Amino acid sequence: GAGVSQSPSNKVTEKGKDVELRCDPISGHTALYWYRQSLGQGLEFLIYFQGNSAPDKSGLPSDRFSAERTGGSVSTLTIQRTQQEDSAVYLCASSPAGAHGNTIYFGEGSWLTVV
Amino acid sequence: QKEVEQNSGPLSVPEGAIASLNCTYSDRGSQSFFWYRQYSGKSPELIMFIYSNGDKEDGRFTAQLNKASQYVSLLIRDSQPSDSATYLCAVDTGRRALTFGSGTRLQVQP
Repeated sequence: GAGVSQSPSNKVTEKGKDVELRCDPISGHTALYWYRQSLGQGLEFLIYFQGNSAPDKSGLPSDRFSAERTGGSVSTLTIQRTQQEDSAVYLCASSPAGAHGNTIYFGEGSWLTVV
Repeated sequence: QKEVEQNSGPLSVPEGAIASLNCTYSDRGSQSFFWYRQYSGKSPELIMFIYSNGDKEDGRFTAQLNKASQYVSLLIRDSQPSDSATYLCAVDTGRRALTFGSGTRLQVQP
């Protein structure tokens, strides 16, 4: 596709349920990122995939969060046993090479509300 | 100390004025610097990037970088109400994904 595609665009879930958020990066982009943005806050780095290298998971806030990237393309961010503090917009981004010197392009985000 | 710091604002300027947005960063090894604009309820979109000391101009936007002072700024000339948004500074430290500041909210008054 022309841009980074994320689904679902909106998700309301009950506390304690698991959720999966999907990201389809720009075709040909080797790097993929997940960020989180709570209401009125800045962007919080979560995880970074670059080609076949081991992902940088240093931003994941707890072991309830995990992500995978299959075939070097589509990525899924999974949040287990959701909590109200997980409510945020989850932004996926991609870039044509590593973060070094290359710009990243964001999807429209998945708005997660935990009730 | 935060890795990337921005004044949260709001910065209010009258229409037609120059808006000056500032950002400081802590890692001297940082290589590239980016400005993103984010409208309320929307995702960030890239405005400009800069790698070298000095100024870089693109239309009404000028990015300025001073690596010795660890300072990067964005000037918006002839500000328009449509420029009202949050402006995010992002830094590539060469280690991993971009590190973002918390953003400065700009309000351009008609």
